[in-house]
Amino acid sequence: QVQLQESGPGLVKPSETLSLTCTVSGGSISSYYWSWIRQPPGKGLEWIGHIYYSGSTNYNPSLKSRVTILVDTSKNQFSLKVTSVTAADTAVYYCARTDGRRMDVWGKGTTVTVSS
Amino acid sequence: QSALTQPASVSGSPGQSITISCTGTSSDVGGYNYVSWYQHHPGRAPKLMIYDVRNRPSGVSNRFSGSKSGNTASLTISGLQAEDEADYYCSSYTSSSSVLFGGGTKLTVL
Repeated sequence: QVQLQESGPGLVKPSETLSLTCTVSGGSISSYYWSWIRQPPGKGLEWIGHIYYSGSTNYNPSLKSRVTILVDTSKNQFSLKVTSVTAADTAVYYCARTDGRRMDVWGKGTTVTVSS
Repeated sequence: QSALTQPASVSGSPGQSITISCTGTSSDVGGYNYVSWYQHHPGRAPKLMIYDVRNRPSGVSNRFSGSKSGNTASLTISGLQAEDEADYYCSSYTSSSSVLFGGGTKLTVL
C-alpha cells in the first residue's frame, strides 16, 4: 500500500527557509493531490496547502506569502518550503495524500524546531 | 480563516456513546458535503475516520458515524472503547478551495 515519509532538517534558524521532502512509496504520485499539514506544540492541526501531480497548487491564505509546494514526479516526491521562519513555525510537519478534500494516507510526521 | 469550532474535550464511559460537534459557516461546513473527521493518537499519524460527512473508509469500525445539519457537523462514537481515547479533528473544504481544520477535541474514556 502507499506509504509516505517526510525528511528534512530538524532544526532551522529564525529568518531562514524550512525545506522538507515527502517521498511516496508503494504507488505513483500521479493522479492525486498531495498535502502538507502541521501541528505546533500543544495546538491543533493546520492545513498548509496541497499540490496536484500536474503542479497546480492551493495554499492556506494565512501562509500563502511564505509557502511553496513543488512536485517531482520523476522521483515520486513532493516538497515544502517555508521562508522567513519564526518560532511560530515550530511544529510537527505531516505530508498526506488527498483528493483535495480528505487526507486518506499520512506520513508519520517530522519535527521541525526553529531556534538559533 | 478561523478554525472550525469544536469542544475542547468530551468524555464517556466504556460502552456509552458520545458526539463531537464541529461548527463552521456557510463558506465551509454548511456549503459543502466535504467534512472529514480524523483520529489522532499523540505521536502517531492522524487517521481518517469519516469523509464526505458520513462515509467510512474501509477498515474503520461502524461504531463511528458522521452527520451534518446546517453549519454544524457531528461525529458520533457508539460503544466507546478504551482505544477510542484520542484527539479528534474535523476538517472541511472551503469556498476558497482550501481545507480548514477544527481546533480539535480530546476524548477521554473514563
